[in-house]
Amino acid sequence: GAVVSQHPSRVICKSGTSVKIECRSLDFQATTMFWYRQFPKQSLMLMATSNEGSKATYEQGVEKDKFLINHASLTLSTLTVTSAHPEDSSFYICSALSGGPSTDTQYFGPGTRLTVL
Amino acid sequence: GQQVMQIPQYQHVQEGEDFTTYCNSSTTLSNIQWYKQRPGGHPVFLIQLVKSGEVKKQKRLTFQFGEAKKNSSLHITATQTTDVGTYFCAGAAAGGGADGLTFGKGTHLIIQP
Repeated sequence: GAVVSQHPSRVICKSGTSVKIECRSLDFQATTMFWYRQFPKQSLMLMATSNEGSKATYEQGVEKDKFLINHASLTLSTLTVTSAHPEDSSFYICSALSGGPSTDTQYFGPGTRLTVL
Repeated sequence: GQQVMQIPQYQHVQEGEDFTTYCNSSTTLSNIQWYKQRPGGHPVFLIQLVKSGEVKKQKRLTFQFGEAKKNSSLHITATQTTDVGTYFCAGAAAGGGADGLTFGKGTHLIIQP
C-alpha cells in the first residue's frame, strides 16, 4: 500500500516555542492531505484539510493562526504549532488522500507525539 | 455537523470468541472506512465500503455497510490475540472522502487467553 511518513516521530519543546511537523507521501502524489489530533485513548479529530497550492480548510474550533498548515508540493504538507502550550500536547497524525473523488482512501502517517513542557 | 457513533467502547472476549463493533452515522455516507490501531501505533487502513448493502470479507473479518449507507459493522470470527487493538470506523460525507473523515470513538478489543 501507499506509504506516508511523518517527521519527527516525537518532539518535546518548551512552552512558547513553535514546532513544525512534516508529512510526506513517499510513493504517490497527494493533492489533499489531512491533519488529525488524537488525545490518549480517544478518537481522531480532524483539524484541517490541506490542499496543494491553496489555503488549508480548518474545522470549527481549530485556530488557523495557531496551527499553520502549508502544502507546498504534491508530496509534502507541514503543520506548525505556534507558541505551543502544554494543552497542545497530543498525538498529531497526518493522512494523504489517494484515489478518485468518490472512493478515496486515506493513508496515515505514523504520527508525531508532541509534548510541551 | 456529521456525527459517527460507535459501540461498544470496550469489549472483553475470550480468545476464540466472536467480536462485533457497530457504527452509526447521523447522515448518509459516501463511504465508510475501517481502521485498526494497535496500542502506541497509528491507524492502519483495513477496508472501504462504498455500495449500499455491501458485504466484504477479509479472512476472519466481515464488514457490512447498511442499505441506507448510514450504518456499518465489523465482525471478527474466532478472535486471536493478534486481533487486540482499537477498531475505528470513519465515515466520508456524501460529498466524498475529499472532505475528510469523521471517526467514531473506536472500540477497544481486549482478548483474554
